[in-house]
Amino acid sequence: DAGVTQSPTHLIKTRGQQVTLRCSPKSGHDTVSWYQQALGQGPQFIFQYYEEEERQRGNFPDRFSGHQFPNYSSELNVNALLLGDSALYLCASSGTGGWDYGYTFGSGTRLTVV
Amino acid sequence: QKEVEQNSGPLSVPEGAIASLNCTYSDRGSQSFFWYRQYSGKSPELIMSIYSNGDKEDGRFTAQLNKASQYVSLLIRDSQPSDSATYLCATRILLLGGGNKLTFGTGTQLKVEL
Repeated sequence: DAGVTQSPTHLIKTRGQQVTLRCSPKSGHDTVSWYQQALGQGPQFIFQYYEEEERQRGNFPDRFSGHQFPNYSSELNVNALLLGDSALYLCASSGTGGWDYGYTFGSGTRLTVV
Repeated sequence: QKEVEQNSGPLSVPEGAIASLNCTYSDRGSQSFFWYRQYSGKSPELIMSIYSNGDKEDGRFTAQLNKASQYVSLLIRDSQPSDSATYLCATRILLLGGGNKLTFGTGTQLKVEL
């Protein structure tokens, strides 16, 4: 049973460029959430996708956008990259379940903006 | 006030001792609580979840929840050097429009010394 798959694992981009990160959720999961984790910080919620729609967004600018496909996979797009966007980007998938049900995280994409 | 607060540490304990990690949260709407372990450069790994007041044990790990005090803790018995990592406390709350999100603390670094 495959877990959450993210690609690429590492990425180096220049300020002002655009980047697309990809995520395939764990089998049986239909909800995908994206988190940004800066060095020394806890993950910060970016947004969540369910049924191909953005359910909620955290405190991130419109430069951050996403998409969910009919097979539940998802993309995170970041435009006009800033140095401060350098972070570990985590995708987490979840499905229906009780309140004891945790999220499964992918291995993350390390983005470096130079 | 941060939504989820943890002491950043490092918390140093000798091998074989009990490590006690603490977390407080501010949102009384938090429904469930999670402890994630994160090794340096890796993604968070779920180790414990709890949603009812009291204790929950799983092997060497015990999670404790006190909703009245808005306090969550994690005890690690017989600590091993392989337990050395950053431990992230997270709460899950409902989102407007459906869905839910995790809010993380900044993590506590645990060092288990030989």
